[in-house]
Formats: sequence, C-alpha cells, structure tokens
Amino acid sequence: NAGVMQNPRHLVRRRGQEARLRCSPMKGHSHVYWYRQLPEEGLKFMVYLQKENIIDESGMPKERFSAEFPKEGPSILRIQQVVRGDSAAYFCASSPGQGAHEQYFGPGTRLTVT
Amino acid sequence: DAKTTQPPSMDCAEGRAANLPCNHSTISGNEYVYWYRQIHSQGPQYIIHGLKNNETNEMASLIITEDRKSSTLILPHATLRDTAVYYCIVRQDNQFYFGTGTSLTVIP
Repeated sequence: NAGVMQNPRHLVRRRGQEARLRCSPMKGHSHVYWYRQLPEEGLKFMVYLQKENIIDESGMPKERFSAEFPKEGPSILRIQQVVRGDSAAYFCASSPGQGAHEQYFGPGTRLTVT
Repeated sequence: DAKTTQPPSMDCAEGRAANLPCNHSTISGNEYVYWYRQIHSQGPQYIIHGLKNNETNEMASLIITEDRKSSTLILPHATLRDTAVYYCIVRQDNQFYFGTGTSLTVIP
C-alpha cells in the first residue's frame, strides 16, 4: 500500500516561471490537503480539496496560487510567476474522509526560486 | 493561528521517558488534541490523538488534564531516532495548525 506520493521532490525555478507540484494520495483516499513550510517555521495550511471540489482555500494566497484535484489523476498545486518568497517545502497530505483523524503526509516538494 | 503553546526545545537521555508538554487553554469541548512529529525535513508523521481520556498506542501515551487545558505526550523509552520536532495541534474545522512545535533532541 503505497503512501502519499509527491513529485518532483526538488524543483528549481527562475523568478517569473510557473511551478507545478503533484500529489497522489494514498489508495482509497479522496481528500487532499496542501501545506507550505518556510525555513525554520511550522507547516501552514493552504487548501483542502476533495475530488473535483475545493472545500477550503482560506490559507491560499489570493494571487498566483491555484489548486485542483481532478476526477482522474493527482492533485496539482500551481504557482504562477514565482518569486523568491515562494521558496519553501510544500507538503501534501491525504485522508479517507472529512472526519478522519489522521492525515498522511507525503515527503514534500522543495521549491527553490532563483 | 495556532491554539497551542509548546516549549521550543527539550533534551532527553536515550532510554529515558520524554515528556513533552502542551498548553491549549482555549480548546473547545469537541476539539481533539493531535500530536505529529517531523523528523529532519520529512513529511510530518501522526503519533496520537485524544479528546478527554488518556490514550496509548505503540508509539506514545497522551495524558490530557481533566480541564483539557493542557496535555503531555510521553515517549516511554526515547531512542536516538525519536529526535524530531513534535507538534501539538488542536484541529479547527478542516485545518491542522502546526505552530512551531518542540524540537526534541535525544542524547546518547
């Protein structure tokens, strides 16, 4: 039973480029959460999605950031026109349902903006 | 954002019990307390959760005070591999607020 998969593990982008981060939840999980972790800080919630629906995006910056979780395929976190301040580790977690107590985290994608 | 406060760092001798405290004085009656840990830069790992009763699993024990304003995570026999940042979390709606956690260093 594979865990949460994220790719790429490391991503380097120049300022102004687009970054696409992928997350495949655990088998049987239909709920996905994205978190961002800046250096020396705790994880900050960004967005919570179910298949084809955004449930809570209150932690998502209003501009340049978007997320989706299509019926087929992984969840995508997209950052347009990246800036140096976007450099961080982005973690995805999945759970089988809204009331589930455990969130299972992936290994993260480390984004570096040069 | 975080509804919890934790000491920034702690040390523990290998083989001894590690007791990690957490204050959550504003917790609501139906909010659970969760503990996760993050080893180095890996994804966080679930440890345990509880509502009002003490809980134990293969990893740790969770002691919640009767008024639910604080709790303690206990690692009964700490090993070097338990060195990590430990997060005490009170869940709000769909979100886990991680705070900055306690950096536990297990010393040989």
